[in-house]
Amino acid sequence: GQQVMQIPQYQHVQEGEDFTTYCNSSTTLSNIQWYKQRPGGHPVFLIQLVKSGEVKKQKRLTFQFGEAKKNSSLHITATQTTDVGTYFCAGPTVNAGNMLTFGGGTRLMVKP
Amino acid sequence: NAGVTQTPKFQVLKTGQSMTLQCAQDMNHEYMSWYRQDPGMGLRLIHYSVGAGITDQGEVPNGYNVSRSTTEDFPLRLLSAAPSQTSVYFCASSYPGSGNTEAFFGQGTRLTVV
Repeated sequence: GQQVMQIPQYQHVQEGEDFTTYCNSSTTLSNIQWYKQRPGGHPVFLIQLVKSGEVKKQKRLTFQFGEAKKNSSLHITATQTTDVGTYFCAGPTVNAGNMLTFGGGTRLMVKP
Repeated sequence: NAGVTQTPKFQVLKTGQSMTLQCAQDMNHEYMSWYRQDPGMGLRLIHYSVGAGITDQGEVPNGYNVSRSTTEDFPLRLLSAAPSQTSVYFCASSYPGSGNTEAFFGQGTRLTVV
């Protein structure tokens, strides 16, 4: 079945260091979405990428969608304690409308 | 604007009991879905609906039922709770379209089955 994989599962960084999480899909995706979940919270939408090779930036966050539309990455520059949480990528589930298949997430911990 | 509202926030059930998790959205979204979240496994789709009167199974539907009688509400029923159903449950809604299809999530229901 369709799978979306993320690495790493966990990442500890010192505040100010950079952070990257990688996402790979077993199928070609029409789009990929990224969500952030704070500890004890619910997933919150960050961004959607649609085009092959697309790069989008939100302040210190840079999102990329691979040329083959099967992989993506999220890079955070100079992490802050407010970046703590779990970051998920998600792609449309085959034959299930716009429902999402999520990666396992990368939990980011930032040491002040 | 309340968005997606889930009740209850916490629940403890005994094995074999049944219960309904409530989900309501006020954004007039056609698409609604239920996910469960277990440690290290991301969110897995249980059931979903693309409109009132239409439901379908997701990746992990066994032990759960849903119905969609109105656009606003999408309850999830646990028929006979099992310890394996201990999890955090999220309801989500989204607007169908070719543009931005972001999902809006409720606050979650933390369920423990003992």
